[in-house]
Amino acid sequence: QVQLEQSGAAVRKPGSSVRVSCTASGRTDNRYGFNWVRQAPGQGLEWMGRVIPMFKKPIYGREFQGRLTITADESSNTVYMDLNSLRSDDTAVYFCAKEDWTFRFFDTWGPGTPVTVSS
Amino acid sequence: EIVMTQSPATLSMSPGERATLSCRASQSVGSNLAWYQQKPGQSPRLLIYGASTRATGVPVRFSGSGSGTEFTLVISSLQSEDFAIYYCQQYNHWPPLTFGGGTKVEIK
Repeated sequence: QVQLEQSGAAVRKPGSSVRVSCTASGRTDNRYGFNWVRQAPGQGLEWMGRVIPMFKKPIYGREFQGRLTITADESSNTVYMDLNSLRSDDTAVYFCAKEDWTFRFFDTWGPGTPVTVSS
Repeated sequence: EIVMTQSPATLSMSPGERATLSCRASQSVGSNLAWYQQKPGQSPRLLIYGASTRATGVPVRFSGSGSGTEFTLVISSLQSEDFAIYYCQQYNHWPPLTFGGGTKVEIK
């Protein structure tokens, strides 16, 4: 079993950036894929991107290209999501989610990190 | 990008009733379809993957079926803890991985 812990809530101004961390514990493996999924208030789930810590090469959703950076620190079993040029519509809960070993569905989710973008 | 469409948006049901939720893909995703349950203030929970395989610990009253573009999640007899929002997700063609808009199962 893998458990995911995320960093705490953040409030940012428009145009600024935010970093959210996700630390895995338990039966971790750097070959697992870790994804970021966000959920705006009252809305559905939106996939943002993913990284496999061992290989480090992230893949991003098209609408986040240029604003999103996903990195991984193998030594601390932590994945980071950096989103810049924040807008009010980036206000959401940001989840990290671990992929299944073979397929791209999510068998473990973090608790979520609320990010509020407001002037 | 594959678009996932769920229906209905809201299902008003009574405990003990059978609930049928639908998910349609804009093109075939084979059996690469997962279902998640989300309760207010919580993160999603995996229920079904491979269109019909229950995840560990998921009660047998939850069943998934379908392939290609049409999928169904059935809750055979609704329990109080089942009132929640349900999302489907395709993982056949990516990026991006895509979710449906969700079906809210509410108490009638």
